[in-house]
Amino acid sequence: RKEVEQDPGPFNVPEGATVAFNCTYSNSASQSFFWYRQDCRKEPKLLMSVYSSGNEDGRFTAQLNRASQYISLLIRDSKLSDSATYLCAVNMKNFGNEKLTFGTGTRLTIIP
Amino acid sequence: NAGVTQTPKFQVLKTGQSMTLQCAQDMNHEYMSWYRQDPGMGLRLIHYSVGAGITDQGEVPNGYNVSRSTTEDFPLRLLSAAPSQTSVYFCASSYTSGSTDTQYFGPGTRLTVL
Repeated sequence: RKEVEQDPGPFNVPEGATVAFNCTYSNSASQSFFWYRQDCRKEPKLLMSVYSSGNEDGRFTAQLNRASQYISLLIRDSKLSDSATYLCAVNMKNFGNEKLTFGTGTRLTIIP
Repeated sequence: NAGVTQTPKFQVLKTGQSMTLQCAQDMNHEYMSWYRQDPGMGLRLIHYSVGAGITDQGEVPNGYNVSRSTTEDFPLRLLSAAPSQTSVYFCASSYTSGSTDTQYFGPGTRLTVL
């Protein structure tokens, strides 16, 4: 089983719709969680960190479910500019070392 | 600040050749890391460094060497290139361990090994 798993998609969603992604992780001791956005042929950029209480940034909402070991990203009122690949990243603590482990990404295309 | 810079942007090598991918950051970040990104595999950690003079292996270190003689620079060396090393390579840096701080990525180096 992969340490961090995402549905690769693609998700093709009409403009204005709400879309949600999940990301599951295997290490119950994981402490930090992030969503990154990656545009085609570009580097990943941090979209938002994910806190236990959930957090919101404009149209984006991130949540953490420790019991079921997943994080989620909700995008409301989707825009054409939201088309990208969304990567989740988890701080995996292995042998005392902290490293970020990334999922393979979920590709989102917003359709006009 | 230029952020994280990588050179070259593109490179084509023949099997067996060696080369160094350059990475530099001007944010005085202690933590730097190298990832490779392949279709369907996501970002995989190659090597990382928690400060000058300190490096460690990530998930896929075989075939690569690193050194960290200064805080700013973290070059990645391919000792004898193989077609399996065809990939996009990203360098990243953050203020501390990278697990709790934002990692800033460079623009990437697209490497093809023939």
